[in-house]
Amino acid sequence: GAVVSQHPSWVICKSGTSVKIECRSLDFQATTMFWYRQFPKQSLMLMATSNEGSKATYEQGVEKDKFLINHASLTLSTLTVTSAHPEDSSFYICSARGPTGGQTGELFFGEGSRLTVL
Amino acid sequence: SQQGEEDPQALSIQEGENATMNCSYKTSINNLQWYRQNSGRGLVHLILIRSNEREKHSGRLRVTLDTSKKSSSLLITASRAADTASYFCATLDYNQGGKLIFGQGTELSVKP
Repeated sequence: GAVVSQHPSWVICKSGTSVKIECRSLDFQATTMFWYRQFPKQSLMLMATSNEGSKATYEQGVEKDKFLINHASLTLSTLTVTSAHPEDSSFYICSARGPTGGQTGELFFGEGSRLTVL
Repeated sequence: SQQGEEDPQALSIQEGENATMNCSYKTSINNLQWYRQNSGRGLVHLILIRSNEREKHSGRLRVTLDTSKKSSSLLITASRAADTASYFCATLDYNQGGKLIFGQGTELSVKP
């Protein structure tokens, strides 16, 4: 099946610094990737839709300047949490439509990145 | 935004028993999908049911969809300790840009 790799799996940073999370589709091209945020024991909240070669589409309430998304190639999307604060601590998960996902909407998920901001 | 509710929020059963989880949604859908998440991990796709389907099977999984009630259920038969995980339903509406919107999830614990 389609494999999505996410890196790093966990990161600890100081308040005020920026953190970049990478999401790669390993064996297929992903024109669209999605970034989700998940708090402990809660569901996934869609943050933004990342489209290769164009600007990301952000969900209502998500700060564009806070969460920078870049989808520069067909296999890589990055999420940068800028000027991180403790409230940004969360589990961030990326996903991509697989080779046939455009027809069914099935998503393949990365393993997630746990961000802790001190 | 979240689609709706899943119930129960938590379910604890013994190995060998069946587990039933329910999901309700609010908008029109093209399909409904169920995913599994082990603690601290990413999600794994389990099964997809289209809006014109009423029931679907995959191994020990059985999914039903009632579009008139905007609800779905996931049945896991003969549960195993390895089925312990959180289960999420997610709906796809192409009118919403093809976004997948997740329910609140059910935390299933299967005791050996």
